[in-house]
Amino acid sequence: GAVVSQHPSRVICKSGTSVKIECRSLDFQATTMFWYRQFPKQSLMLMATSNEGSKATYEQGVEKDKFLINHASLTLSTLTVTSAHPEDSSFYICSASSGARGEQYFGPGTRLTVT
Amino acid sequence: AQSVTQLGSHVSVSEGALVLLRCNYSSSVPPYLFWYVQYPNQGLQLLLKYTSAATLVKGINGFEAEFKKSETSFHLTKPSAHMSDAAEYFCAVSDLPDSWGKFQFGAGTQVVVTP
Repeated sequence: GAVVSQHPSRVICKSGTSVKIECRSLDFQATTMFWYRQFPKQSLMLMATSNEGSKATYEQGVEKDKFLINHASLTLSTLTVTSAHPEDSSFYICSASSGARGEQYFGPGTRLTVT
Repeated sequence: AQSVTQLGSHVSVSEGALVLLRCNYSSSVPPYLFWYVQYPNQGLQLLLKYTSAATLVKGINGFEAEFKKSETSFHLTKPSAHMSDAAEYFCAVSDLPDSWGKFQFGAGTQVVVTP
């Protein structure tokens, strides 16, 4: 199957700083990418949907100014957590789809710890 | 609104025994249902999906699931567990077929296989 990578796999940052997470589709063009967040022992919660070249659509309750999403190319989407706080510590997972009739492929996730 | 509930956060099965993972859904429209597996440090992998074609769906690695509208269930089974089946399993519902819509995930079920 198609491969989606995330970088970094783990990151620790200090409170108040920003951190960027990359999501790449390695062998297909991803017209749509999704960003999820997973707290321990909880579901994956959809944060936002991004289409290449368009502004991301955020789910209710997700602060778009805090979680900046950029989908500038068909193979790369980035999630930037701005002014991170300890409560932002979580597992962030992206997925990518080639669009209508396309499968959705998931990345391995990024563990963010804010100290 | 759509949601799924997975009964049991942890399931322990003996090698060779039946694997049964329960998933119930809630949806105001005909649902599209999916089962994903996540191995440690890897992305979610699609096991199987129900998109209204057949109520009994066969997937990879010997897994299958049956859609029961009257019970609003989509339980996952495998007749004989292998050690390699140890992983976390997620049930998900989407408002669109072919897995390229937005997902609502269950909380996940961790499967442990004992020799």
